[in-house]
Amino acid sequence: DQQVKQNSPSLSVQEGRISILNCDYTNSMFDYFLWYKKYPAEGPTFLISISSIKDKNEDGRFTVFLNKSAKHLSLHIVPSQPGDSAVYFCAVNNAGNMLTFGGGTRLMVKP
Amino acid sequence: EAQVTQNPRYLITVTGKKLTVTCSQNMNHEYMSWYRQDPGLGLRQIYYSMNVEVTDKGDVPEGYKVSRKEKRNFPLILESPSPNQTSLYFCASSFRTGEKLFFGSGTQLSVL
Repeated sequence: DQQVKQNSPSLSVQEGRISILNCDYTNSMFDYFLWYKKYPAEGPTFLISISSIKDKNEDGRFTVFLNKSAKHLSLHIVPSQPGDSAVYFCAVNNAGNMLTFGGGTRLMVKP
Repeated sequence: EAQVTQNPRYLITVTGKKLTVTCSQNMNHEYMSWYRQDPGLGLRQIYYSMNVEVTDKGDVPEGYKVSRKEKRNFPLILESPSPNQTSLYFCASSFRTGEKLFFGSGTQLSVL
């Protein structure tokens, strides 16, 4: 049973608009959450993270929101750019020993 | 340049022929890990190592071996590859367990 789920395999957004990528997790004990971005033929790269003591973290155009009661994490990209087209993975720190990843969401930003 | 280097990038082999995918990091990271990426399943952890001579199973360890004799290297060994091990493999490292990971560029493995 997957502990981390990204229910949308793909998302298409117009350039300049907001992209919202969602992630749900099952275990309320998870305490550190991350988003990774992956371009074709490259390894994933770290994008942004949030600790369970916060509900929001911003870094430029990227904001991560954490709703602990709903066990839900989201990544907002504003404004979206064509270069943001990639696969995005959410990940959770599982008991401090490893990161567990979601299935990924492919974001396509159309010019 | 700080990086995680894995080789080869592409590998085609046949069932049962032992192979090794190498992984090296130059950041003096304690933690290293192997993942496989399959469509719809995201990144699943195969094995990880919290330090030299310390390795442990991840979510999908069957059919794989690893070793950590030196801090910088963490090879992935498939003693007898099977077609269900056809996948995209990533090595990753971090300074400490649970911190953000730095990934290699990936190894696309096809087992015929």
